[in-house]
Formats: sequence, C-alpha cells, structure tokens
Amino acid sequence: QKEVEQDPGPLSVPEGAIVSLNCTYSNSAFQYFMWYRQYSRKGPELLMYTYSSGNKEDGRFTAQVDKSSKYISLFIRDSQPSDSATYLCAMSAWSFNKFYFGSGTKLNVKP
Amino acid sequence: DTGVSQDPRHKITKRGQNVTFRCDPISEHNRLYWYRQTLGQGPEFLTYFQNEAQLEKSRLLSDRFSAERPKGSFSTLEIQRTEQGDSAMYLCASSLEPEGEGEQYFGPGTRLTVT
Repeated sequence: QKEVEQDPGPLSVPEGAIVSLNCTYSNSAFQYFMWYRQYSRKGPELLMYTYSSGNKEDGRFTAQVDKSSKYISLFIRDSQPSDSATYLCAMSAWSFNKFYFGSGTKLNVKP
Repeated sequence: DTGVSQDPRHKITKRGQNVTFRCDPISEHNRLYWYRQTLGQGPEFLTYFQNEAQLEKSRLLSDRFSAERPKGSFSTLEIQRTEQGDSAMYLCASSLEPEGEGEQYFGPGTRLTVT
C-alpha cells in the first residue's frame, strides 16, 4: 500500500465549476500537508500548506484536513481554464526529512 | 531571489555513461531535496540535505546514485553507469528551517533520457 493515495483522474469540468481534489494517507505521523500544481514538463508549484485539521482558505483555493479520517482535500472555486494542470498532494512528519507525494490528479477546465 | 535553478534542463545520454546534475537552491535555504518523477507519477523522494549534511537517503537509491552539497549551497546528483530505467525528471527543491514551515520550492527539473 502506498503511503499516499490520490485519484489520477483525469477530471474534466466546465469553467466556473467548483473542483474537489482529494488524497488519503495511512501514516498517522504525517502532520504537515501541502498541495502543488504542476504544468506539463515543469516543476511543481506550491499552492497551499497546512498543519492542522480544519480549513485554510487562500483566494479561490481552500485546503481541508481531516486527520481522524486521514483525508485531505483541495477545493477550487470558480475554476478557470488556466487551472488546468496536474495537482499533487504531499505530506510530511514534523521532521520534514522526507516528503511523500500522491501520484497527482490531472484537471482539465473547459472554457 | 531567482528561485531554485537546475542545470542542465535536458540531458540525453547513452546507457552506461555517467551523468551529473546541478541544483542551486534559493539563497539561504538550508534544506535541499532531490526527487525523481516519472510520467504519470508524483515526485519520489531520493535524498535530503540540511546544510552540507546528507541526513536522509531513500533505500530506493542504488549505489549508482550519489549526491553532494559540499558547502551547504549548491548540490550535485551523479548517476553512474546509467540504465534506461533511470530515464525520468530529476527535481530539486529547497526550504528554510526552522524559520519556514516546511514548504518546499521546486526547480524546473532536469529531464534525463537514457538511450
């Protein structure tokens, strides 16, 4: 079993839709959670990070963590064609010695 | 601050040759990570440095792979006797601890093709 599981998609939505991206994990030592966006043939770009259960909002993006269920989500409101990319979740224990990534969900926002 | 840079961006090599990649982290970032990413997969952790000390190394990293960060600034990743299975994107990331909160910033990657 992988440490982090993420549905690879692809996920196709119309412009303006609310997008929900999710990851599950098995290691209860994970305390720090991140979401990255990656365009084709580019390095990942950090979108959001959080280390507590609950919600964290930044513009059109909301990160949600449920440690009791070992489940994290990223919501994108008013999705735009420019949001079309692969979204990666990542997580770490407090030591930050090692980060574990999901396999990524490919999102396509249609105009 | 120009971000994390990596060189070269692309490398094509023949099986059995040695290759070396360079990563320049964000200035003053004390932590540096190397990852490997294959098509359709997320980045896979290879190794981690805090300043010049290599503190973590994936057991997936065979003895053909070696990484250094001699002065705690730039880092190199060398692959000896390359194999076709080494073809991947090699990503470098840096972060600042303890002032930061663990967030990593990635470079553009080096795409390796072994023929």
